[in-house]
Amino acid sequence: SQKIEQNSEALNIQEGKTATLTCNYTNYSPAYLQWYRQDPGRGPVFLLLIRENEKEKRKERLKVTFDTTLKQSLFHITASQPADSATYLCALFSASKIIFGSGTRLSIRP
Amino acid sequence: EAGVAQSPRYKIIEKRQSVAFWCNPISGHATLYWYQQILGQGPKLLIQFQNNGVVDDSQLPKDRFSAERLKGVDSTLKIQPAKLEDSAVYLCASSRDRSGGTGELFFGEGSRLTVL
Repeated sequence: SQKIEQNSEALNIQEGKTATLTCNYTNYSPAYLQWYRQDPGRGPVFLLLIRENEKEKRKERLKVTFDTTLKQSLFHITASQPADSATYLCALFSASKIIFGSGTRLSIRP
Repeated sequence: EAGVAQSPRYKIIEKRQSVAFWCNPISGHATLYWYQQILGQGPKLLIQFQNNGVVDDSQLPKDRFSAERLKGVDSTLKIQPAKLEDSAVYLCASSRDRSGGTGELFFGEGSRLTVL
């Protein structure tokens, strides 16, 4: 069956460290993958998109990698700050649909 | 530009009652999506419109849920009759590109439904 799995447990990181979130998928062949941030009571907000032929994408303190062999994307936040605390969702574009994972809740402690 | 507008933000109903949610996407966005997000889970696609045509409604429980997009702009999502398990946030999103394309989704703030 088709699955998108993100870190099931919440991630608790010390401020200033790098947070790394994982998105694994099975039985999909996505043309691209997106990452969104969702704050409590709000809709998701787009952060980054990476295509199947790209290995890495960066935007300010954010970095995303995409390994189609491992069927995995990693999302990194460097020099993390308490304001980065939120739920992060990965989403695959497959068969003309955008399908979301369950999200990882990230907490950055001062 | 104005964002995706949704209303109402909150709704509490008894089971077996009906409810309707409204969405106004960003002007000029061809594609509109309704997602259901149950607490602690990721958004689940219910229906996707391209202009005023349905692209995908495979996960829409059609015995109780219906959606329409009039004139390719605003959209309404209706639930009738509601069940307890319909308690969730209903998110509307729009994108510039046709049928998903490679574009980002712009989400509204969501409509939180509680069914008692």
